[in-house]
Amino acid sequence: AQTVTQSQPEMSVQEAETVTLSCTYDTSESDYYLFWYKQPPSRQMILVIRQEAYKQQNATENRFSVNFQKAAKSFSLKISDSQLGDAAMYFCAYSPQGAQKLVFGQGTRLTINP
Amino acid sequence: DVKVTQSSRYLVKRTGEKVFLECVQDMDHENMFWYRQDPGLGLRLIYFSYDVKMKEKGDIPEGYSVSREKKERFSLILESASTNQTSMYLCASSGGLGFVGGYTFGSGTRLTVV
Repeated sequence: AQTVTQSQPEMSVQEAETVTLSCTYDTSESDYYLFWYKQPPSRQMILVIRQEAYKQQNATENRFSVNFQKAAKSFSLKISDSQLGDAAMYFCAYSPQGAQKLVFGQGTRLTINP
Repeated sequence: DVKVTQSSRYLVKRTGEKVFLECVQDMDHENMFWYRQDPGLGLRLIYFSYDVKMKEKGDIPEGYSVSREKKERFSLILESASTNQTSMYLCASSGGLGFVGGYTFGSGTRLTVV
């Protein structure tokens, strides 16, 4: 069964600094998708970034970027120039190609210190 | 603005009650999902549906059932609520087969069973 592991229950960073959230996954599939979702205190889950496994290039969305290491089955999220609004729970998620189900990690609570 | 709407933000029910959690989406999405979110466990899939009147068990279906009579509505039913079903429940939807844009989530229902 596919699993997703986030080994950092909590992280904190100073405002304007850079922070990296870790995620590893286990799968025997070769084609799949990986996602990072953000859940602020409002509880509304927001898609932050998506990576297709067949793409070697790491996905980037403004201040958010990923380090996708397919062989190591690692998918970390880097947040640059951290802002107070980045404070939230962050979930890593996996979906095999052709399937619509997402498998989520345990989540990492990110605190931004002013 | 596209939406997934969950009928209740907070709900308190008594042990043994039959509980209905409602979810409606306005995006004409084929797929709908129910997850529960617990600290340290992330999101776990309860049930999902690929089409009207279709349903499939997720990873933790015990004690739950679902109903999808119309494309836009997906209901989660707790036949006889128990205290171990106290949790946050998240509904989500996504497009049809091949859609890889990720989920759109509702804002969650925090259910307390006393």
